[in-house]
Amino acid sequence: VQLVESGGGLVQPGKSLKLSCSASGFTFSSYGMHWIRQAPGKGLDWVAYISSSSGTVYADAVKGRFTISRDNAKNTLYLQLNSLKSEDTAIYYCATGFDYWGQGVMVTVSS
Amino acid sequence: DVVLTQTPPTLSATIGQSVSISCRSSQSLLHSNGNTYLHWLLQRPGQSPQLLIYLVSRLESGVPNRFSGSGSGTDFTLKISGVEAEDLGVYYCVQGTHAPYTFGAGTKLELK
Repeated sequence: VQLVESGGGLVQPGKSLKLSCSASGFTFSSYGMHWIRQAPGKGLDWVAYISSSSGTVYADAVKGRFTISRDNAKNTLYLQLNSLKSEDTAIYYCATGFDYWGQGVMVTVSS
Repeated sequence: DVVLTQTPPTLSATIGQSVSISCRSSQSLLHSNGNTYLHWLLQRPGQSPQLLIYLVSRLESGVPNRFSGSGSGTDFTLKISGVEAEDLGVYYCVQGTHAPYTFGAGTKLELK
């Protein structure tokens, strides 16, 4: 199983960013997937979940600003981040269940 | 939202010592399907988290059997029977029973 995140970077407050998570080594379409983040020096913070049938759940802190989606044909998970705030600065991990994790991608929101 | 309270926040141990970490939930984590979605993770410095224990007490493949989990309802415990140097890092409990899912604040295990 391999999960590889991409798309992170430095972005100004109020702007948008789209993260991707490329999955391999398992039947991606059969699994629910999470996005989890970790602010610098802080603990883990659950962000969003998408089921194998594309049902979604969000943390209150990101509801209405972030959108999780998936493309089973491309074995790829996405997280669209809109209206970014400085408190969204974190390493963003994708994970399947909580058993397999990617290496994470850094998102920095700063002017 | 479910709040998971982990104690202690920091744990100092010697090699070979047995230690326990508590995770208490603000509501029962027993799902209507009969499963309890309480899991334990370890994050070593500079690494992604790894799953140690799932569904309260099931040992993840490849995880040493010095790790064990127990509990039910709202009270859960992770025990390490004989700490080894590679066990140092931050331990998190996480619940997947009630959306939105939530993590405990973490317990940092360090060498005494």
